[in-house]
Amino acid sequence: GQNIDQPTEMTATEGAIVQINCTYQTSGFNGLFWYQQHAGEAPTFLSYNVLDGLEEKGRFSSFLSRSKGYSYLLLKELQMKDSASYLCAVSPLSGGYNKLIFGAGTRLAVHP
Amino acid sequence: ETGVTQTPRHLVMGMTNKKSLKCEQHLGHNAMYWYKQSAKKPLELMFVYSLEERVENNSVPSRFSPECPNSSHLFLHLHTLQPEDSALYLCASSQPGSGNTEAFFGQGTRLTVV
Repeated sequence: GQNIDQPTEMTATEGAIVQINCTYQTSGFNGLFWYQQHAGEAPTFLSYNVLDGLEEKGRFSSFLSRSKGYSYLLLKELQMKDSASYLCAVSPLSGGYNKLIFGAGTRLAVHP
Repeated sequence: ETGVTQTPRHLVMGMTNKKSLKCEQHLGHNAMYWYKQSAKKPLELMFVYSLEERVENNSVPSRFSPECPNSSHLFLHLHTLQPEDSALYLCASSQPGSGNTEAFFGQGTRLTVV
């Protein structure tokens, strides 16, 4: 099975950098995904990692180490609108479809 | 707008009622999913449909009955629910393949069982 752990809550200051960690135990997966979810809204895709290393997309970057069972999402130049939950998910090896197994999410509060 | 539309957005139903949740996508995806999101719990995968065939049922009680009439539509039929079934029900779709393509989620249906 998959156990995915993330901190429950984090706070940060506008303009700062924050790193949200995700650890997992899984027998194998295709990719690791990060989603953002504002309260009452749909989760929206941020990034995914297949290979070890850093993937950068504007203010957001995600890192994966398969050998360490570890990923993080890095948010730079924080804005108030970044206050949301950030969901770490793995896509297990499966027969031709991409189900996701999610962590409980990290609720990030950005303060002025 | 993510390309996945769910209706209704909010639903209140009694434990003896029968209702259905609807999901529609026109992204050309061949896989569709139902997830349940309860307060302070991870998103839980309920059902997976691939090419209109149900390929996964994650031990979901029979009071939840999915239906996929075509590749664009997915339903979740509800009957004799319990108050603990109150949650946000999210539909998602993706294009199967290497497993590295993202899923697109609908806005969800906020269900309250009274």
